[in-house]
Amino acid sequence: QQQVKQSPQSLIVQKGGISIINCAYENTAFDYFPWYQQFPGKGPALLIAIRPDVSEKKEGRFTISFNKSAKQFSLHIMDSQPGDSATYFCAARFAQGGSEKLVFGKGTKLTVNP
Amino acid sequence: GAVVSQHPSWVICKSGTSVKIECRSLDFQATTMFWYRQFPKQSLMLMATSNEGSKATYEQGVEKDKFLINHASLTLSTLTVTSAHPEDSSFYICSASPGGFWNQPQHFGDGTRLSIL
Repeated sequence: QQQVKQSPQSLIVQKGGISIINCAYENTAFDYFPWYQQFPGKGPALLIAIRPDVSEKKEGRFTISFNKSAKQFSLHIMDSQPGDSATYFCAARFAQGGSEKLVFGKGTKLTVNP
Repeated sequence: GAVVSQHPSWVICKSGTSVKIECRSLDFQATTMFWYRQFPKQSLMLMATSNEGSKATYEQGVEKDKFLINHASLTLSTLTVTSAHPEDSSFYICSASPGGFWNQPQHFGDGTRLSIL
């Protein structure tokens, strides 16, 4: 199954709160799990990424938690700020025939209220 | 960090014309480049994968004669939308990968908004 299921579709958080976005996958051949942040009219920007042999990765206010047995991973944004308001996409990569593909979740629109 | 430049950022043209979009990796050599299409409030849909010096691999349902891809060098790939029609209007985004494995994620350009009148 080449799908990544992302939830919630939209999320509203107060400034200073924690934003949590979840993703789930089926294909155990996925070998890399990046998160992208996209502002309106812009391309996605890589936020943070994790390999399946790591359970957690933290970069500043952003943390990925990875549960390999459950085939789930999540993005936590601590101390959420209005500037974090954007659409977030989880993705999973698999290698195939010398090339690679990214499979994206459907996205989560995050709104951080001041 | 890795920078991918896409040009133009916005193009409006008449139905029936062809439009070329360029994607450049500015500070790394991209063995592989990808072209995506994104409809409003939707996710990215992979259209094709191109490797330098070889033919692009198109995803199922993508017309290769409509969307011509050329990856002539390690820093440049182009997407030409031939005989564009209003239904081709969309946000087209390229990405590039330095290749290799582990910690070599795709880096995206800022997209091209294509509007066909």
